[in-house]
Amino acid sequence: EAGVVQSPRYKIIEKKQPVAFWCNPISGHNTLYWYLQNLGQGPELLIRYENEEAVDDSQLPKDRFSAERLKGVDSTLKIQPAELGDSAVYLCASSRGPSWAEQFFGPGTRLTVL
Amino acid sequence: DQQVKQNSPSLSVQEGRISILNCDYTNSMFDYFLWYKKYPAEGPTFLISISSIKDKNEDGRFTVFLNKSAKHLSLHIVPSQPGDSAVYFCAASTTGANSKLTFGKGITLSVRP
Repeated sequence: EAGVVQSPRYKIIEKKQPVAFWCNPISGHNTLYWYLQNLGQGPELLIRYENEEAVDDSQLPKDRFSAERLKGVDSTLKIQPAELGDSAVYLCASSRGPSWAEQFFGPGTRLTVL
Repeated sequence: DQQVKQNSPSLSVQEGRISILNCDYTNSMFDYFLWYKKYPAEGPTFLISISSIKDKNEDGRFTVFLNKSAKHLSLHIVPSQPGDSAVYFCAASTTGANSKLTFGKGITLSVRP
């Protein structure tokens, strides 16, 4: 079974530029999550999708962050414009069962904003 | 306010000995707990979990103990192996409809050969 795929793995951009991250979850997993992981911290949930519906986006900074999951499969997370403080690892995860149970994580995208 | 706390940032143990990783939580509504393991440049990988109706769950070399009254859980690895060297995250959640995982900061485990 293929795991969660994310791209790019690394991204370096200048501040105020836009950036997008892509995630393809494990086949058959209806729930998709985007997490932010700052250095020395644990992952923090940004948004959770059940199929194509965003059911929890309470922690997503909506002034500059947006996400979509068209057709309920792969997903894109966008930042526009990026700020220095956005430098972090952005993790995508998926699950088949409830959101409190095991989630499968991708390798993440490491974003550096200069 | 950190609801899940892993107060020791690192732990070093000798190969073959026991590794004990601790985790404390403050939210009494949490009733499901998980441990994840993370290698550099990889995403976290699920290791073991425990429900609040249990006080122990075992899977091979890994055992998780839960003390609800103390709001404390621990992960025991016996015997420790060099390949266990990684960052270990404790996570907690309620099991309601809009639950989400709350992670600790992680503990870096180093197993010396």
